[in-house]
Amino acid sequence: KQEVTQIPAALSVPEGENLVLNCSFTDSAIYNLQWFRQDPGKGLTSLLLIQSSQREQTSGRLNASLDKSSGRSTLYIAASQPGDSATYLCAVRPSGTSYGKLTFGQGTILTVHP
Amino acid sequence: GAVVSQHPSWVICKSGTSVKIECRSLDFQATTMFWYRQFPKQSLMLMATSNEGSKATYEQGVEKDKFLINHASLTLSTLTVTSAHPEDSSFYICSASGTSGSNGGELFFGEGSRLTVL
Repeated sequence: KQEVTQIPAALSVPEGENLVLNCSFTDSAIYNLQWFRQDPGKGLTSLLLIQSSQREQTSGRLNASLDKSSGRSTLYIAASQPGDSATYLCAVRPSGTSYGKLTFGQGTILTVHP
Repeated sequence: GAVVSQHPSWVICKSGTSVKIECRSLDFQATTMFWYRQFPKQSLMLMATSNEGSKATYEQGVEKDKFLINHASLTLSTLTVTSAHPEDSSFYICSASGTSGSNGGELFFGEGSRLTVL
């Protein structure tokens, strides 16, 4: 059974810092991995999608890497801003499954203070 | 990215009543939509897969008679919580993707619906 773990559970940093969020998964047979952002009481906003054949994806200040063989992904946020404060979730889609069958991590709660 | 909209964003109901939640894909056609449930401070759990024009597929442990799903068109899926009880109180989120194989399988999520059963 696929399990997804995110470390740290919570992170508080001053504005301007670069930071790294970690995601690990137990079964390397994945189709893709997706990073999401969730604001309190809101739905999920897709940040980055990495296919199993890819090593990384970038969007603005965000960079996500994927090392499928070791079961790890990292989300790098450059020059953090208070508006980045949210819960960040990673989710994997196992190979051979419906594309909705994502397995989510518990999330990392990020607080960026001015 | 694509837009998925849910309605209502929050609802309070009495125990024993039924509540319907709508999920719409606004700018694309979604042959398949997915319903998730999220308890406080926990991650999302897939409840069921909603297929346009056919019966939904439920995950193990999810009561299909309690959580009725209808996917009547390529842009609308509904989740009806029947005879709701306080333990059904939760945050329900839907998601959708384009037609199978498009955009690499990226999922887009609605804003979520907070259900509180008194």
